[in-house]
Amino acid sequence: DAKTTQPPSMDCAEGRAANLPCNHSTISGNEYVYWYRQIHSQGPQYIIHGLKNNETNEMASLIITEDRKSSTLILPHATLRDTAVYYCIVRVGMYSGGSNYKLTFGKGTLLTVNP
Amino acid sequence: DTGVSQNPRHKITKRGQNVTFRCDPISEHNRLYWYRQTLGQGPEFLTYFQNEAQLEKSRLLSDRFSAERPKGSFSTLEIQRTEQGDSAMYLCASSTGQQETQYFGPGTRLLVL
Repeated sequence: DAKTTQPPSMDCAEGRAANLPCNHSTISGNEYVYWYRQIHSQGPQYIIHGLKNNETNEMASLIITEDRKSSTLILPHATLRDTAVYYCIVRVGMYSGGSNYKLTFGKGTLLTVNP
Repeated sequence: DTGVSQNPRHKITKRGQNVTFRCDPISEHNRLYWYRQTLGQGPEFLTYFQNEAQLEKSRLLSDRFSAERPKGSFSTLEIQRTEQGDSAMYLCASSTGQQETQYFGPGTRLLVL
């Protein structure tokens, strides 16, 4: 799986949009970008994933650059409960056996939402 | 809630004791994963089941660790002769289908004294 690079920490004001960047310059054509977050002392929570098109769900939006070498997770109106470590992971998205199933986590970005 | 559940949530044990953790995946999820997370690090893959078959084990999984998934439903992770270095959060995740999105449980936090 391709490696990702994320800033170690970011701050955001409550109610504002939080934009979390991720670089994945060695991503392969069949690798998806996944985002998870982990609130203190809890298990990771799936947020969103995408291949090349921008994606949106009830939690967030994912913007992937045209060359797919980087992406941004957007939380449109951050709340205090969004304070967490956010992990960007690239991985083959379609199960096809072999070793592509496991998630390889880095250290992620600690997002702190301030009142 | 029909998410992944793990028991116990916390376990304190003395060095040398055996411990066993249980994971109940989301109903009908045929793939189940164990990860370990130490302080300040992201989760690291330990092992993976498809139905009842254990298909891969990480080199992190020493011979003191054993995982089972009888009948392809719940799974257990046993650590024999625990060491202080085994202190960590043990996470379970499950998935199904082609998209392979993994959903995690709340984890079991182990402290070995």
